[in-house]
Amino acid sequence: GNSVTQMEGPVTLSEEAFLTINCTYTATGYPSLFWYVQYPGEGLQLLLKATKADDKGSNKGFEATYRKETTSFHLEKGSVQVSDSAVYFCALANFNKFYFGSGTKLNVKP
Amino acid sequence: DARVTQTPRDKVTEMGQEVTMRCQPILGHNTVFWYRQTMMQGLELLAYFRNRAPLDDSGMPKDRFSAEMPDATLATLKIQPSEPRDSAVYFCASGLGTSDSSTDTQYFGPGTRLTVL
Repeated sequence: GNSVTQMEGPVTLSEEAFLTINCTYTATGYPSLFWYVQYPGEGLQLLLKATKADDKGSNKGFEATYRKETTSFHLEKGSVQVSDSAVYFCALANFNKFYFGSGTKLNVKP
Repeated sequence: DARVTQTPRDKVTEMGQEVTMRCQPILGHNTVFWYRQTMMQGLELLAYFRNRAPLDDSGMPKDRFSAEMPDATLATLKIQPSEPRDSAVYFCASGLGTSDSSTDTQYFGPGTRLTVL
């Protein structure tokens, strides 16, 4: 079947620290992979995506590489800011359906 | 810029009452999703439509929930009768997809926060 597993939070970092949020998936076929971000009181917003193996998605300093050999799509950012505090969701799209991870809450302290 | 809109943003009602939530997808999008988000269960897919036809509503409690798309610009999610366990944030999302491929990016609305007393 299709599923997404991401690391549990919360993750607490100091400003300018390096961020990694792990995401692994199981899927049949060739899924697309996404990271969404949810700020308090808002809906999910697309952060980045990758549609095939070895693609790298990037946006606002965040990056994730579609690794088929390790079935992973880890989110990274070199230097986080307080404004990055939010909940991050890894997601997989396959055969007309989306599968979301449970979300990882990120707290960035000044 | 184009956005998914949802109304109402907040709804407080009493157990047993009917609740209707509305969603306007982004113009030109042919796929609409309804999700429910709670602290305990996270984000759950309730139903989704392609070209106004329901493709999957297996995540929806059939006895009390119903979802429809009266036209391409309006999707509705109805709960009748509502129960306290229905309290959650309900999100609508829209996207563009074809019959033989996955929907590309989903664009989420701001959500309807439902509280059933």
